Amino acid sequence: DGGITQSPKYLFRKEGQNVTLSCEQNLNHDAMYWYRQDPGQGLRLIYYSQIVNDFQKGDIAEGYSVSREKKESFPLTVTSAQKNPTAFYLCASSPVDRLDIDTGPSPLHFGNGTRLTVT
Amino acid sequence: ELKVEQNPLFLSMQEGKNYTIYCNYSTTSDRLYWYRQDPGKSLESLFVLLSNGAVKQEGRLMASLDTKARLSTLHITAAVHDLSATYFCAVLVSNFGNEKLTFGTGTRLTIIP
Repeated sequence: DGGITQSPKYLFRKEGQNVTLSCEQNLNHDAMYWYRQDPGQGLRLIYYSQIVNDFQKGDIAEGYSVSREKKESFPLTVTSAQKNPTAFYLCASSPVDRLDIDTGPSPLHFGNGTRLTVT
Repeated sequence: ELKVEQNPLFLSMQEGKNYTIYCNYSTTSDRLYWYRQDPGKSLESLFVLLSNGAVKQEGRLMASLDTKARLSTLHITAAVHDLSATYFCAVLVSNFGNEKLTFGTGTRLTIIP
């Protein structure tokens, strides 16, 4: 089955440590995204990538870094510079050309998320 | 900067009643999406709306888009408990080939028996 896998589901870290969240997709999608969700709030875009070896900052990129060495993978590193890292992190992917003549537009496909707690 | 506002933020309604969630956005958009999120879970895609006047329906949910007013609505008909969730709208804007999806704050819907 095609899908997006985020791991781990829960992650605990001490303040001052960098931590990397994994996101892998086997949907053959070109575009991948990282969002952050805080309790009772919407999703905010951290970074996105539309092609291998290229990525752009989203609205809240400070304190985060990403890489896109392979089409299937888009890991997110939460660095010690991120002041409030505790949150729910969601990875998503989509084809760059979302209009498929046969099936219609394809929205973002989301992973199941990683809940990061930093103490 | 694109702003996407949903209202209400919280909605409690009785089973069997009808209600509408509103999504306003501040700039011209290519597409608008509606998602559902259950507590602690990921997002599930509900609808994609492409053009002015677009209407999509699935079961008791119906979404519409007015691009001139920059407004989308999600209408719930004869609500049932299974519809309790948080609903997000998200607006897609393309800028020099870069596409960015901005989410609203969400509407937490609780259906009361």
